[in-house]
Amino acid sequence: NAGVMQNPRHLVRRRGQEARLRCSPMKGHSHVYWYRQLPEEGLKFMVYLQKENIIDESGMPKERFSAEFPKEGPSILRIQQVVRGDSAAYFCASSPRDRTGGYTFGSGTRLTVV
Amino acid sequence: GENVEQHPSTLSVQEGDSAVIKCTYSDSASNYFPWYKQELGKRPQLIIDIRSNVGEKKDQRIAVTLNKTAKHFSLHITETQPEDSAVYFCAFNQAGTALIFGKGTTLSVSS
Repeated sequence: NAGVMQNPRHLVRRRGQEARLRCSPMKGHSHVYWYRQLPEEGLKFMVYLQKENIIDESGMPKERFSAEFPKEGPSILRIQQVVRGDSAAYFCASSPRDRTGGYTFGSGTRLTVV
Repeated sequence: GENVEQHPSTLSVQEGDSAVIKCTYSDSASNYFPWYKQELGKRPQLIIDIRSNVGEKKDQRIAVTLNKTAKHFSLHITETQPEDSAVYFCAFNQAGTALIFGKGTTLSVSS
């Protein structure tokens, strides 16, 4: 089992560009969660998705950020017109069911906006 | 929104001592309480969890206790070792919702 796969591991973007972060959940997992982590801060919830559905996006900024989890392929977190404040580690996690249970995290994507 | 307060933010102990980290949560309907360990530059990893029908759970040198009335839960690490040095996060949720994480405790174990 390859675990939760995130790519790229490191991403550098200039201000105003778009960033696309990918997450493939563990085999058999159908629920995906995205979190943002700033230095010396906790994991801040962004969005919870199932295949073709956004379940909870209460943690997503209203502008420039979007997420999807299509029927085929990985989940994508998209940040348009990046700004320096978007620089952070973005972690994806997956779980096999939508009731309470532990998540498996990916290795994260470290986004740097220059 | 729902939130969890985690204390202390930093904790330094001598090898062999015990370490205790406490969290207080806001949602009385929560019924799942995991703890994650994150080493520098690595992913968070689940180390132990507890559900609301259990008051205490142990796994070798780590244990978690839950007080639902007071809405707090704690992580206990006994006989600490240098490899326990990491950031520890508490979290909570109820069925069908995403985990909410505390801000983390940086544990340093010196030999």
